[in-house]
This record gives sequence, structure tokens and C-alpha cells, in this order.
Amino acid sequence: DAGVIQSPRHEVTEMGQEVTLRCKPISGHNSLFWYRQTMMRGLELLIYFNNNVPIDDSGMPEDRFSAKMPNASFSTLKIQPSEPRDSAVYFCASSLGVGRSYGYTFGSGTRLTVV
Amino acid sequence: AQSVTQLDSQVPVFEEAPVELRCNYSSSVSVYLFWYVQYPNQGLQLLLKYLSGSTLVKGINGFEAEFNKSQTSFHLRKPSVHISDTAEYFCAVRKSRDNYGQNFVFGPGTRLSVLP
Repeated sequence: DAGVIQSPRHEVTEMGQEVTLRCKPISGHNSLFWYRQTMMRGLELLIYFNNNVPIDDSGMPEDRFSAKMPNASFSTLKIQPSEPRDSAVYFCASSLGVGRSYGYTFGSGTRLTVV
Repeated sequence: AQSVTQLDSQVPVFEEAPVELRCNYSSSVSVYLFWYVQYPNQGLQLLLKYLSGSTLVKGINGFEAEFNKSQTSFHLRKPSVHISDTAEYFCAVRKSRDNYGQNFVFGPGTRLSVLP
């Protein structure tokens, strides 16, 4: 298995532009999580899906952030419009939803820089 | 709600020396405990996990951790570190009865720097 695949690995964009981050979870995993990592705040859970349905989006910082999971093999995190304070590494993770003993498998992350 | 404390933000240690990275948690319910490692410019990888049974858990790369319920701790240890162990280490908890709300609570991380 190729693991959790995120694209792009790096993204540099200008303030005000729309940014879309993509994630392909591990086949068979039915839970998907988006995290943001910054030096100041550490790892923050933004949103997670179970069976393609958003369960908890309380971590999404603002309405500028949105996430979708149209099918079991693909999810997007969109920021529109982007701001410099959105600069961070964004991780996607997936897990077998049933069975609380499972850990997460993380992707390699997308490093977003908004200038 | 659960919380995780990692008292040491940075731990420098010489190569081949032993190391202990501390993790304490608080929770009103039983939890599962995990250690993750993040190498530079990479995602998090699972090192080991405690679910039940023996309180001493062995993981990959020679790491082990001991669950101490009375002290609510889950410290990570390695008897002899290598330069390649330089990374950020995260302790995490997950409620053992939490099925639908499955998210972890991560600690702030400890940066281990192994010096030659």
C-alpha cells in the first residue's frame, strides 16, 4: 500500500488566492482527518470524516476553510481566500474507523506558504 | 476531556546514551496511549501503542514505553540512541470507549537531538 498520499508537497501562494490541498487515504480506511501543524500551536485537528461524512469540524478556524470528501478515496481542504497566517504544514491521516485501538496513518504533509 | 503534557520541549543527548521522553495525561475515562515520531519534513509515524495487558510496550527502532496508571504516565525510553533518532516525538491519547468521536489528543511534542 502506498500509504496516505497528499498533494502538493509544497505550495506557495499569494494572499487572497484560493488554495486546495488534496488527500488520498489508505484503501479500506473509513475515517479521514485533517490536521494543521505550526510552531506556535502544534498539531491541531481541523476536521474529520467517517464514511465520507463530516463528523466534527469544530477545529476549522474560519469560514474561509472548507473540506469535502466526495468518495472514500479522496478528500480536499480548501482555503479561500488565503492569508499569511494560514502558513503551516497540513497533514491528512486515515484510520480504520471501527476499532478504537487503531492508530492513524499520516501523509507526508503539504507545506503551505502564503505571502 | 483528555489532555497530554510533554514536560520537555527539547532533549539533547549524546549518541549511544540512554534517553527518556516524558508524557503525562489526564482523563476521566480509560484511554489508549500512543507515541508517534516525526522526522524532518515528514509525516508522523506510529512508534508504539498501549491498549491493554502488559504495561511495558515495545515499539520500532528499539523504543519502549511503560504505562503507569497511578502516575498517569507513558514515558518513552531507549537504552542507546543513534543520530538517526533525531526527530520530534509526540505522545497521544485516545478514549478507549470513543467510537464515533475518534480523534486523538496530541501532546505538544519533544524534540530529541542526538549529538555525535
